Amino acid sequence: QAQLVQSGAEVRKPGASVKVSCKASGYTFTNYPIHWVRQAPGQRLEWMGWINAGNGNTKYSQKFEGRVTITRDTSASTAYMELSSLRSEDTAVYFCAKSTAIAVKNDYYYYMDVWGKGTTVTVSS
Amino acid sequence: SSELTQDPAVSVALGQTVRITCQGDSLSTFYASWYQQKPGQAPVVVMYGKSNRPSGIPDRFSGSSSGNTASLTITGAQAEDEADYYCISRDDSGNQWLFGGGSKLTVL
Repeated sequence: QAQLVQSGAEVRKPGASVKVSCKASGYTFTNYPIHWVRQAPGQRLEWMGWINAGNGNTKYSQKFEGRVTITRDTSASTAYMELSSLRSEDTAVYFCAKSTAIAVKNDYYYYMDVWGKGTTVTVSS
Repeated sequence: SSELTQDPAVSVALGQTVRITCQGDSLSTFYASWYQQKPGQAPVVVMYGKSNRPSGIPDRFSGSSSGNTASLTITGAQAEDEADYYCISRDDSGNQWLFGGGSKLTVL
């Protein structure tokens, strides 16, 4: 059974950085990308970026470009999301999610099939 | 296009049928997937592709797609279906992922 286990809640001051981890189990880590998604209190889900867990290539949302860094450690089957220059608006729950793709005839179906439980990051002075 | 548009709030009487829609230009290139999120929980995928249900998702959930609109239909809505529903797809380049604004489903 595929599973993603995230690190615990964090509290940071404005201007600081935070690094959240996401440990995968139950599947071959390097075969599937990992997304990072966040949700501010009472707000919508927001895509931050993703990493190809095999080769380490990343793509980031333009909103977070320059502030977010997604990495992975294949030996630990773990993905990381680091967000810098934190401000109060970054207070949110941060989720990691496993991406998968299924080929059906000439179509490809892409979706996020496994999610971590989320990590609460609070930015407060 | 860089947007997926959903109605913010949808309601349905218990046992009736409700359709939740998602509009965006990228949906003519990539299929949407649909996620159910209950308060304090992580999202759960309920539909992907043309109309594919992951194992464990009740068959009252179905999906469809036409042009730039994807739909999630719940036939015979139950109280436990009350949740936020999000559509997700890739943008036209395939490099970015787009999230709809979410639809809050109320079961009356």
